[in-house]
Amino acid sequence: GEDVEQSLFLSVREGDSSVINCTYTDSSSTYLYWYKQEPGAGLQLLTYIFSNMDMKQDQRLTVLLNKKDKHLSLRIADTQTGDSAIYFCAESSNSGYSTLTFGKGTMLLVSP
Amino acid sequence: SAVISQKPSRDICQRGTSLTIQCQVDSQVTMMFWYRQQPGQSLTLIATANQGSEATYESGFVIDKFPISRPNLTFSTLTVSNMSPEDSSIYLCSVASGGGYTFGSGTRLTVV
Repeated sequence: GEDVEQSLFLSVREGDSSVINCTYTDSSSTYLYWYKQEPGAGLQLLTYIFSNMDMKQDQRLTVLLNKKDKHLSLRIADTQTGDSAIYFCAESSNSGYSTLTFGKGTMLLVSP
Repeated sequence: SAVISQKPSRDICQRGTSLTIQCQVDSQVTMMFWYRQQPGQSLTLIATANQGSEATYESGFVIDKFPISRPNLTFSTLTVSNMSPEDSSIYLCSVASGGGYTFGSGTRLTVV
């Protein structure tokens, strides 16, 4: 079955850039997502990328996709303490008609 | 993107009892998804709910334990039946919306 892997923990200092990595196994993945979960809260969709794209930028967020290596990354520029949360990578083969497969999440801790 | 209202946000329940979780969406959606997030874990899909038909359950989840209703295109409920401490988790509903998947804020269930 499909598998999505992430590193479990990342610690950065405020103002630095954070890079969270994700690998997936499903070659039919069409959509790849990044979600943020703050303590005690639900999941917030941060951004997503179609598999025919290499990069997507949205304000402080940059998503890079290497489809050949099935590698996805999320870069957060000028990381703030409010960015401290768990970040989930997820993939689906067809938005709206397919379920998501999630990674285990990367806990990002931003220190002042 | 769709907005989901999920309730209750949290509950503490006695073992052997049942809890029904509700999700109301502000727009009509074909499919709704129910996930479980066990402590410190990623999200696991419980079932997919279409309006007017029985929900489709993932491996390891059965209708007797997690009955789902989907009476119309904006509403769904998930019941956690005959609860045990192992059911203590966050339960989230989700819909496909705006190019991604939107999640409810989650129901944090503690079974004592």
